[in-house]
Amino acid sequence: AQSVTQPDIHITVSEGASLELRCNYSYGATPYLFWYVQSPGQGLQLLLKYFSGDTLVQGIKGFEAEFKRSQSSFNLRKPSVHWSDAAEYFCAVGARGGGFKTIFGAGTRLFVKA
Amino acid sequence: GAVVSQHPSWVICKSGTSVKIECRSLDFQATTMFWYRQFPKQSLMLMATSNEGSKATYEQGVEKDKFLINHASLTLSTLTVTSAHPEDSSFYICSAREGGADGYTFGSGTRLTVV
Repeated sequence: AQSVTQPDIHITVSEGASLELRCNYSYGATPYLFWYVQSPGQGLQLLLKYFSGDTLVQGIKGFEAEFKRSQSSFNLRKPSVHWSDAAEYFCAVGARGGGFKTIFGAGTRLFVKA
Repeated sequence: GAVVSQHPSWVICKSGTSVKIECRSLDFQATTMFWYRQFPKQSLMLMATSNEGSKATYEQGVEKDKFLINHASLTLSTLTVTSAHPEDSSFYICSAREGGADGYTFGSGTRLTVV
């Protein structure tokens, strides 16, 4: 079974500063990897996903993530954060086969200060 | 792209009544759908995997008789919260996978409040 860890419960960055949200996973093979964002009271929006190929994945809203197999990580980055990026971010790991079950990390809440 | 519609977006019900939540794949056939629950300020917890034409597979600790899942067609899965109680109040989200595809699509969620 897969598992995913987001070590940071919350992060505060200044507007315009760079951002990196950490995600580590455990899975016996190469998993499907996702980053989702959730604004308060809203549903999930997919930022980006990795299935195979290029390990640096570009997503929406200027986000990118890099799959590092050796570190079992899939960290999310953005070079310059905007106040509207303040939200909850979830990393998710999907199994290949076996029902394609997706497990979510605990989430990281991003605060952006002016 | 693939769209999943979840209905209703929010619902308030009285304690002891049942509530049905629908998850529809609008432009693709979903062989597998997943139901998640999210408590306030917490992550999404997988409740069950719903496969078209067969019984749902529930995660450990999820009451099968309380959360009835039906996936009668390739475009519709329903979650019925039976005899709802205030502790069932939560945000419920479904996701669907198109047969043969690598991707998942999430619905917008249903906020259930039991009073």
